[in-house]
Amino acid sequence: QVQLLESGGGVVQAGGSLRLSCEASGFTFSNFGMHWVRQAPGKGLEWVAFIRYDGSNKYYADSVKGRFAIFRDKSKNTLYLQLNSLRVEDTAMYFCAKELIGYFHYMDVWGKGTTVTVSS
Amino acid sequence: QSALTQPASVSGSPGQSITISCTGTSSDVGVYNYVSWYQHHPGKAPQLVIFEVSSRPSGVSYRFSGSKSGNTASLTISGLQAEDEADYYCSSYAGSNTLIFGGGTKVTVL
Repeated sequence: QVQLLESGGGVVQAGGSLRLSCEASGFTFSNFGMHWVRQAPGKGLEWVAFIRYDGSNKYYADSVKGRFAIFRDKSKNTLYLQLNSLRVEDTAMYFCAKELIGYFHYMDVWGKGTTVTVSS
Repeated sequence: QSALTQPASVSGSPGQSITISCTGTSSDVGVYNYVSWYQHHPGKAPQLVIFEVSSRPSGVSYRFSGSKSGNTASLTISGLQAEDEADYYCSSYAGSNTLIFGGGTKVTVL
């Protein structure tokens, strides 16, 4: 079945870096745009980044622009999020999500998330 | 951009209908019909229940419906069931290739 599995979360000091992965299965990964969304403890969801199906365009939330980078490897059916210059406020559960085909605006399949904790 | 505004909690008895509001601005909800709703049981993967204001994805119960008026979108759950107890988030396109979410609403089935 269609599945997304995030990994790579952990505890890192402020200013450090981390790379998150999202392995996709059950669908043709190279045909779909992909998102990263995060949820800080006790807070709502926050959209983080998007990459088009072919990697040609990438969009970021202002809060992470210049610090985070989204990219994908179609040979590994894997989406990535490189987190640099991490701040305490980046502490969150990070979810990857697949776009509803043809619609950047909607996410029809989500993973269960991976936790990032940034310590001061 | 600030998050869309949702009530922190809504509750109802089994079989009743409840409505969750999602208030944005003339820069997001008010100008685009790219509004969606997600159900999230903590610890599980969120699920899309409404897209394009009022469309239901395949497999989502007819008990979920959406609407929009001006800067406010709404999600109605009819015939409330115990399994509907979850957090619900609205989302809207906010222009310039960005998306914005609401703060979330905890639905409690009494």
